[in-house]
Amino acid sequence: KTQVEQSPQSLVVRQGENCVLQCNYSVTPDNHLRWFKQDTGKGLVSLTVLVHENDKTSNGRYSATLDKDAKHSTLHITATLLDDTATYICVVGDRGSALGRLHFGAGTQLIVIP
Amino acid sequence: DTTVKQNPRYKLARVGKPVNLICSQTMNHDTMYWYQKKPNQAPKLLLFYYDKILNREADTFEKFQSSRPNNSFCSLYIGSAGLEYSAMYLCASSPSAETLYFGSGTRLTVL
Repeated sequence: KTQVEQSPQSLVVRQGENCVLQCNYSVTPDNHLRWFKQDTGKGLVSLTVLVHENDKTSNGRYSATLDKDAKHSTLHITATLLDDTATYICVVGDRGSALGRLHFGAGTQLIVIP
Repeated sequence: DTTVKQNPRYKLARVGKPVNLICSQTMNHDTMYWYQKKPNQAPKLLLFYYDKILNREADTFEKFQSSRPNNSFCSLYIGSAGLEYSAMYLCASSPSAETLYFGSGTRLTVL
């Protein structure tokens, strides 16, 4: 059973528009949540990590929220650029140590058009 | 240097032949992971090393081997490749659960 669900599965936006990606999970315990960006054919690059109950993080044009009560996270991308075209993957870790299990979502494919 | 390096970038293998993929990091991380990723699927954990201790997932236990001769290197070994092994193989390293670095991956195609 999939424990990390991402929506939408794919999304097309025009350059300059904002977009929001959703992540819902059922992982327990939920120690932390991380958003990764994966360019086509490349490895995963960490965008941000959220740890606490109602964390909010900001990394340039990327900002994220975490609601542990609702087991829900959002990734906001502001003023999208063509280079934002990629797959965005939500990952939930169930432990606070490197031995914990990571639960991956299948990703949201974002396409930014001119 | 905070990169995780994987070699080769692309690998072509014949059915039934062995495959060896290499991963290295110079960040002195205790833990190194290998994931298998197929299109439109979430990455699947195959195994990980915590220091010198190898942990393999139950459902892929017999399909993949690994070695870690020192802290910096970790290999993924497939004794006899099948068509179903075609995938992107991602290596990652971590000093803690909240810090994780991925390599660029090795795309394996089995013919």
